[in-house]
Amino acid sequence: EVQLLESGGDLAQPGGSLRLSCAASGFTFSFYAMAWVRQAPGRGLSWVATISGAGGRTHYADSVKGRFTVSRDNFDNTLYLQMDSLKVDDTAVYYCAKGVKPKVVTALAADSWGQGTLVTVSS
Amino acid sequence: NFMLTQPHSVSESPGKTVTISCTRNSGSIVSNYVQWYHQRPGSSPIIVIHEDNERPSGVPDRFSGSVDSSSNSASLSISGLTAEDEGDYYCQSYDSDNLWVFGGGTRLTVL
Repeated sequence: EVQLLESGGDLAQPGGSLRLSCAASGFTFSFYAMAWVRQAPGRGLSWVATISGAGGRTHYADSVKGRFTVSRDNFDNTLYLQMDSLKVDDTAVYYCAKGVKPKVVTALAADSWGQGTLVTVSS
Repeated sequence: NFMLTQPHSVSESPGKTVTISCTRNSGSIVSNYVQWYHQRPGSSPIIVIHEDNERPSGVPDRFSGSVDSSSNSASLSISGLTAEDEGDYYCQSYDSDNLWVFGGGTRLTVL
């Protein structure tokens, strides 16, 4: 059974940093591209970033480009999201999600999602 | 980039069929696959359709997806509605640079 467990969400000040983690199990982690998707309180889903299975290719939403960095450790089966220069608008639940198809360059859809971790940016 | 527009809400009676639309405002809807996700209140999203009309294992065949180039839209149909189908439904696609786009979501109420 696929399991994705996010952690690292917290209260941060504007301009601050946070690092989110997503521990994956139940599948061959390195075979799958992964994604981060967020959901602001009471709002819809918003894509943040994707990363290829090997970690060499990444894509970012314009709203986070240059501030967030997605990475992965295929030995520890963990996905990361380094969030710098945080803004109030980054306040959201952040979901880690697994790509649908194995051994593709990037994730174009997600078939398993974690329970999410809440990031609150406020002074 | 393009936008995906969904109706804010739909409602239907138990046992009936409902269809949720997702209209792409620029570029062709058939250029890139469309996915659909269901999110119940307080829960994480679950994929119900990928690649326009493919149902993941475990998703009942009451769920079906389609795309229509004439209206430049995708649709999700749910037949035999039950209370467990309530919640928010999101369409999602991607552009030529593999950047994802979500629709704004549709709240389904089963009356």
